[in-house]
Amino acid sequence: YELTQPPSVSVSPGQTARITCSGETLSVKYGHWYQQKPGQAPVLLIYKDSERPSGIPERFSGSSSGATLTLTISGVQAEDEADYYCQSADTTNTYELFGGGTKLTVL
Amino acid sequence: QVQLQESGPGLVKPSQTLSLTCTVSGGSIDSGGYYWSWIRQHPGKGLEWIGYIYYSGSTYYNPSLKSRVTISVDTSKKQFSLRLRSVTAADTAVYYCARGAVVAATVPFDYWGQGTLVTVSS
Repeated sequence: YELTQPPSVSVSPGQTARITCSGETLSVKYGHWYQQKPGQAPVLLIYKDSERPSGIPERFSGSSSGATLTLTISGVQAEDEADYYCQSADTTNTYELFGGGTKLTVL
Repeated sequence: QVQLQESGPGLVKPSQTLSLTCTVSGGSIDSGGYYWSWIRQHPGKGLEWIGYIYYSGSTYYNPSLKSRVTISVDTSKKQFSLRLRSVTAADTAVYYCARGAVVAATVPFDYWGQGTLVTVSS
């Protein structure tokens, strides 16, 4: 099983960024999203496709359709420039998978 | 607030065993509902799940590393540990410990340690 993300996404401040994650397992398993800034540990942004942990700004949202997970960042700010990773599990629930990561550049 | 802290040698020689410990504070390690996890990140690369352990001792490992990995837990010390045998330069990475919360048969990692760089070199 693999999770595929675009290597990079660029967006201007104030616009909407969408980052996708595709993989067969996502059609039957929930997915999660993380944000990682340089030199820092990842932070859980979205879990169970669309749930937001407390403390995560409302501009971060998630959705799922078929075998594709989407992270949407509305009103992108300069501070959102980071790497974003999706995560899910194989269908037998025996191991966890991460996508390759997407670097979000705020122009 | 749950906190996790990795500790262990930052330099390991090739063919030896990498050993790291994660100490958990601000929460219980022996209550159900959580998998205590190790995740690594090669320099400039993405995240790789290594494996996790339940407080009862049940373990799950990345198939690509399974033959070399052991994760154990010491609930009395609120610690869990990683041992990776027969390391090579390809095991040089930042190693993170993390808490995985079981949510609807899925395991998002909600708390992470700061990470520790382990370099494999003679």
